[in-house]
Amino acid sequence: GDSVTQMEGPVTLSEEAFLTINCTYTATGYPSLFWYVQYPGEGLQLLLKATKADDKGSNKGFEATYRKETTSFHLEKGSVQVSDSAVYFCALRWNYGGSQGNLIFGKGTKLSVKP
Amino acid sequence: GAVVSQHPSRVICKSGTSVKIECRSLDFQATTMFWYRQFPKQSLMLMATSNEGSKATYEQGVEKDKFLINHASLTLSTLTVTSAHPEDSSFYICSARDWGGRETQYFGPGTRLLVL
Repeated sequence: GDSVTQMEGPVTLSEEAFLTINCTYTATGYPSLFWYVQYPGEGLQLLLKATKADDKGSNKGFEATYRKETTSFHLEKGSVQVSDSAVYFCALRWNYGGSQGNLIFGKGTKLSVKP
Repeated sequence: GAVVSQHPSRVICKSGTSVKIECRSLDFQATTMFWYRQFPKQSLMLMATSNEGSKATYEQGVEKDKFLINHASLTLSTLTVTSAHPEDSSFYICSARDWGGRETQYFGPGTRLLVL
């Protein structure tokens, strides 16, 4: 079945370091892809998304490109801040015409950014 | 942005008791709500999907008689873990999608359940 695999954490970086969190998916076809972020004590929030191949989602300095050749959607940020410390979830979802399938999540990657 | 709240945020109960978790959409009407369960270092697993006024649709392997879901209004869904056992200890997260059916789901902060 469909699945999402993301790199295990925790990832610890110094402020202003470059961030990459790898995410690959297994699916027959081209689902929509998402990155969600969960800050301590809060619910998951949509960070960015891409709905078709070669789309780039971006938000708050984070970027991810939908790569169908490698079935990947890696999350990147050029210079992380302490406030980026959170758990990041990669997810996929199918769209069926006018209706939506369910989100399928990866296990999450905890990021800690040190000052 | 839209906010989803959960109550309680943390609950400890004795084995055999029932626990109710509330999920509310605070500034929008949620036609569809989802309940997830998350084990440590695991992904969120969808337990069930509920639409306001109708019975919930449970995922394979989820006992509907153990995890009772009520979506009585457009802003409230409840999950009741009946006759809880230690293996039910987990992190339960609800999510809501608004009336317009836009792509974004809004998530609650989760409820930590510990069954002794």
